[in-house]
Amino acid sequence: HVQLQQSGPGLVKPSQTLSLTCAISGDSVSSNSAAWSWIRKSPSRGLEWLARTYYRSKWYFDYAISVKSRITINPDTSKNQFSLQLNSVTPEDATVYYCARQSYNSAWFPFDYWGHGTLVTVSS
Amino acid sequence: DIVMTQSPDSLTVSPGERATINCKSSQTVLYSSNNKNYLAWYQQKPGQPPKLLISWASTRESGVPDRFSGSGSGTDFTLTISSLQAEDVAVYYCQQYYSTPQTFGQGTNLEIK
Repeated sequence: HVQLQQSGPGLVKPSQTLSLTCAISGDSVSSNSAAWSWIRKSPSRGLEWLARTYYRSKWYFDYAISVKSRITINPDTSKNQFSLQLNSVTPEDATVYYCARQSYNSAWFPFDYWGHGTLVTVSS
Repeated sequence: DIVMTQSPDSLTVSPGERATINCKSSQTVLYSSNNKNYLAWYQQKPGQPPKLLISWASTRESGVPDRFSGSGSGTDFTLTISSLQAEDVAVYYCQQYYSTPQTFGQGTNLEIK
């Protein structure tokens, strides 16, 4: 049974960096049949996919164009987790962030496991 | 990007009645090589993450009650709850996983009368 445990500060100052971590149990961040994403939900933009990483003999990274210049997703194989860094945050980045898993078996599957969500506030 | 548009934005249904939510994609999500629609439905209750209900437009996930069903192909899809129960009150989202970025509909808020 896969579980995703999110951690990280819920308060970030404007222009600073938002950092969240998603610890994986029941699967591996370097699995050849999974991918790991960050998704956020806001009143204005709804559910918005932000970034994905997966391992297929090498690491791959996909990013949403809306945040591509500010975002990094990093796998950490030693701790079996992956992280999100979003730079130069503004009040528009204040919302709930989720990590999620996607399976792959000759085709991509939808998001079947999700973290519990982290509410991020942007305030000085 | 593929734009997903749901209708209606909100819906109020009496217990035991049918609820129908529509989802339209701006381009096809049917992959011709395997004849699969890359379309999922999720249910989200307050304070919880989205829960995957249906994948491939019509395949119910394990443990999802059979009153939930999905249909459609290409660009037009429907989620039907055949007999609404109180525990079905939630926001429902469609999502395409045909191409990156994967995109979601704006959500449909389902309430009980």
